[in-house]
Amino acid sequence: SQELEQSPQSLIVQEGKNLTINCTSSKTLYGLYWYKQKYGEGLIFLMMLQKGGEEKSHEKITAKLDEKKQQSSLHITASQPSHAGIYLCGADLSGGTSYGKLTFGQGTILTVHP
Amino acid sequence: EAEVAQSPRYKITEKSQAVAFWCDPISGHATLYWYRQILGQGPELLVQFQDESVVDDSQLPKDRFSAERLKGVDSTLKIQPAELGDSAMYLCASSPANGPGIYEQYFGPGTRLTVT
Repeated sequence: SQELEQSPQSLIVQEGKNLTINCTSSKTLYGLYWYKQKYGEGLIFLMMLQKGGEEKSHEKITAKLDEKKQQSSLHITASQPSHAGIYLCGADLSGGTSYGKLTFGQGTILTVHP
Repeated sequence: EAEVAQSPRYKITEKSQAVAFWCDPISGHATLYWYRQILGQGPELLVQFQDESVVDDSQLPKDRFSAERLKGVDSTLKIQPAELGDSAMYLCASSPANGPGIYEQYFGPGTRLTVT
């Protein structure tokens, strides 16, 4: 089984709707990263969360790391077609002892219909 | 805006041939990572460098894969001989990490390898 589980695996929404993607770990997360990827391209850095309870926003995207640091959520408000793509969570599961080695979830495919 | 550069963007090679990928990290970033991403999955770390030294290559198939970062700047990942199962996206990333800790990590555009 995956060390990082993302849900849902895919999501189809109408433009303007809000949505949430979850990333859950069986281990404590010492750094939680959210990336966006368009098919066949590299990963675009969105946000990095370190502290339990931390919340960051970038434009209409907000990410939170829960207090127990084993789950993160990514929330998109008023989705647009430009938000479509694959969202990946990555995490340091080494206890903060690595030089940034990340383990990734399997990704969530987001489709936004105009 | 500084970016991680990779080349080539696409590579088609025949089984048993040798193939090489190049990565130039963001200037000043001490740590460089090579990941492999199979279609429909998240990236998996192959090898990690701190300057010119390998920090982690536990997931690198060393019988056919090699990686180097001779001057601690750009890096090359080589596969010899290539196998059908090596078809994937090869992603390079860099971060300013100079020790254990949490750092922002930036990815290049990737090299899509197809082995026929």
